[in-house]
Amino acid sequence: GAVVSQHPSRVICKSGTSVKIECRSLDFQATTMFWYRQFPKQSLMLMATSNEGSKATYEQGVEKDKFLINHASLTLSTLTVTSAHPEDSSFYICSAPPMGGAYYGYTFGSGTRLTVV
Amino acid sequence: AQSVTQLDSHVSVSEGTPVLLRCNYSSSYSPSLFWYVQHPNKGLQLLLKYTSAATLVKGINGFEAEFKKSETSFHLTKPSAHMSDAAEYFCVVIPYNQGGKLIFGQGTELSVKP
Repeated sequence: GAVVSQHPSRVICKSGTSVKIECRSLDFQATTMFWYRQFPKQSLMLMATSNEGSKATYEQGVEKDKFLINHASLTLSTLTVTSAHPEDSSFYICSAPPMGGAYYGYTFGSGTRLTVV
Repeated sequence: AQSVTQLDSHVSVSEGTPVLLRCNYSSSYSPSLFWYVQHPNKGLQLLLKYTSAATLVKGINGFEAEFKKSETSFHLTKPSAHMSDAAEYFCVVIPYNQGGKLIFGQGTELSVKP
């Protein structure tokens, strides 16, 4: 089945540095990738939608300059957390719809646990 | 607007007993509904999906869910819980005509006691 590979699974960085998270679709082409943020014991919150070859669409309240999204190819989407601060510490997950269409069920990456110290 | 509500934030069962995780939806259209499972610090895995075919949907690991339009419900069940079922479960709907965005329920944490 469709697989989305997300890396790194866990990262610790110093405050003020930037962190890049990658999501790759391994056996299908992902023209769209959704990026979520999840706080402990909470549901997933959609941050932004990336589309290959065009600008990402951000949800209300999400800072575009803080969370840079790039969808350079049909198999790679990246999220860069710039000038990270402790409040950015969270679990980030990407997701892509399968080639057959969204109604077949999305594939999720394994998530990235970001800790900013 | 379409939404899903998971009625229990936490459910605790004993190993070998039935599991019931409740989900109600709100939709003006025939919805596409999903159940996902998330183990700690992991991504989400699709358990099953309803897309207007059979109302009783069978998924992986012995889980199933029944779509009941009259009750606007899509409850997840399993006849006999296993320790490995302990995880967070999300009921999800895809709203009509919103570019494929998912709407998540609040999540239900399932604990399984030996």
